[in-house]
Amino acid sequence: QKEVEQDPGPLSVPEGAIVSLNCTYSNSAFQYFMWYRQYSRKGPELLMYTYSSGNKEDGRFTAQVDKSSKYISLFIRDSQPSDSATYLCAMSPQGGSEKLVFGKGTKLTVNP
Amino acid sequence: NAGVTQTPKFQVLKTGQSMTLQCAQDMNHNSMYWYRQDPGMGLRLIYYSASEGTTDKGEVPNGYNVSRLNKREFSLRLESAAPSQTSVYFCASRDRGQTEAFFGQGTRLTVV
Repeated sequence: QKEVEQDPGPLSVPEGAIVSLNCTYSNSAFQYFMWYRQYSRKGPELLMYTYSSGNKEDGRFTAQVDKSSKYISLFIRDSQPSDSATYLCAMSPQGGSEKLVFGKGTKLTVNP
Repeated sequence: NAGVTQTPKFQVLKTGQSMTLQCAQDMNHNSMYWYRQDPGMGLRLIYYSASEGTTDKGEVPNGYNVSRLNKREFSLRLESAAPSQTSVYFCASRDRGQTEAFFGQGTRLTVV
């Protein structure tokens, strides 16, 4: 079983839609949960991160972590064509190991 | 600041040839990573290094070796390249205990 599972999509939505992206994980040691955004032929860049459980909001983006279900989500409100990219979840344990594991990534297209 | 620099950007190898992918970071980060990215597979961790002199295997280490030459540099070596190693390789670094990893621009490797 892979440590991190993410539906690779692709996902295509109209401009203005609410987008929901999700990942599940199996390693209980994961404490840091991140979302990266990757544009075509570029390296990934950090979008948001959350420590342990809870929600975090940044503008049109909301990250949620449910550790009891080992499930994390990223919501994008009022999606824009500029949000078209691949979104990757990433996870890391706390202390000790510096391991950083990514999901497969979901390719999102927002159509004008 | 250059951030994370990978060389070369592109490479074509014949089956059985060897090569070393170079990575250097100028952010004084402790942790460095090598990933490969294939269509639909996301970023898969090959090796990582939590500090100078230490390395750990990731999800797909077979066929690769790494060297953490010093705090700045982390190289990835393919001793006998195979077509299955055709991929885009990303190097990343982050500071210990920090969530954000910074990525290089990637190396596109084709093994024929």
